[in-house]
Amino acid sequence: DTEVTQTPKHLVMGMTNKKSLKCEQHMGHRAMYWYKQKAKKPPELMFVYSYEKLSINESVPSRFSPECPNSSLLNLHLHALQPEDSALYLCASSQTWRTSREEETQYFGPGTRLLVL
Amino acid sequence: GEDVEQSLFLSVREGDSSVINCTYTDSSSTYLYWYKQEPGAGLQLLTYIFSNMDMKQDQRLTVLLNKKDKHLSLRIADTQTGDSAIYFCAESPDRGSTLGRLYFGRGTQLTVWP
Repeated sequence: DTEVTQTPKHLVMGMTNKKSLKCEQHMGHRAMYWYKQKAKKPPELMFVYSYEKLSINESVPSRFSPECPNSSLLNLHLHALQPEDSALYLCASSQTWRTSREEETQYFGPGTRLLVL
Repeated sequence: GEDVEQSLFLSVREGDSSVINCTYTDSSSTYLYWYKQEPGAGLQLLTYIFSNMDMKQDQRLTVLLNKKDKHLSLRIADTQTGDSAIYFCAESPDRGSTLGRLYFGRGTQLTVWP
């Protein structure tokens, strides 16, 4: 089983709202990722967690706050977003990270489509 | 970052073969991936190849790697309308600051006509 689940599937929020995106995997993977994808573009890396520690933050604005409560869960807390933050947010996981091996293959979830009004 | 290039569009008739091409720049050992994205969906891993291999076949999918030219291709045999999607080529270099990152091409929109 190579399933990564994400909730909610769709989210509409105002610029003053606080919301969270959730991602879960039960494959025993120790690396988890958040990506942002705009229409007709490839995914852009936002954050990488390895063994529940934040390893990469790609200079993402502080209105996006990631959290990894345990090895199976990854959250993305959203606050005071802008309309330009509307996008598909993808979560991914891999067995390992920075090992340059087959186990670093990333598996993606279905995404959360976010609309900021 | 690394440069991964793909053509943007490909149209084929149902039943024909599709060939999607990709070029990459990293010269180190690397994994190379093909992902499929249907409208409104996430990325589905189709197949991957390590840079010490020339070819990998998996049912209707054949991946060819020319390491000298840094050229990767994905051939889909007997293309079906359900294969219509965006196909992303991605590279995972194994060195330095690029380690642990996936570098994506811009994606090739494959349209299959009945």
